[in-house]
Amino acid sequence: DAGVIQSPRHEVTEMGQEVTLRCKPISGHDYLFWYRQTMMRGLELLIYFNNNVPIDDSGMPEDRFSAKMPNASFSTLKIQPSEPRDSAVYFCASSPRPGAGELFFGEGSRLTVL
Amino acid sequence: GENVEQHPSTLSVQEGDSAVIKCTYSDSASNYFPWYKQELGKRPQLIIDIRSNVGEKKDQRIAVTLNKTAKHFSLHITETQPEDSAVYFCAAPTHSGAGSYQLTFGKGTKLSVIP
Repeated sequence: DAGVIQSPRHEVTEMGQEVTLRCKPISGHDYLFWYRQTMMRGLELLIYFNNNVPIDDSGMPEDRFSAKMPNASFSTLKIQPSEPRDSAVYFCASSPRPGAGELFFGEGSRLTVL
Repeated sequence: GENVEQHPSTLSVQEGDSAVIKCTYSDSASNYFPWYKQELGKRPQLIIDIRSNVGEKKDQRIAVTLNKTAKHFSLHITETQPEDSAVYFCAAPTHSGAGSYQLTFGKGTKLSVIP
């Protein structure tokens, strides 16, 4: 398997624009996670899915953030409208046993909002 | 939910010396404790983990110890090498009514190994 695949790797946009980040989990992994990483706050869990269903979105900062998983091989994280404070690296991760086994991270999407 | 504290936030050691990173957790029901290594510009990757039924686990130059009574666990790296320079994260599962499917990460320790 190629691992967790994220796109784009880098995104530079202007404040107010819509941003869509994409993720393809490892085949067979039932759990998918979206994390945000900043220097100040470290790795923060935004939302996670089990079998394509959102289970816990309490980490989503505000209504500007939304995430979907229309099928087992694809998920999106959308920010609309984007703000400079959203600048961060966004990681997608998948796992077959997240509470007791390895989380497999993608390479991350580095977002810069000007 | 789980609260994971990690220290130190930065650590510099001479090549060949040992490095120790410590974490504490709050949920006594937690039973799985992984450590992730993140090199600059890369993704976090699992390097070692320990479950609550053992007190210590080793893998070549790295080891993890767990003290469930005190609710802390530590990462030990011996004979450090420049390629050990990275940010290290500890984590513990968050328990909820539906099970424990989330990991709460510590804030990370930036380890610098000086040649």
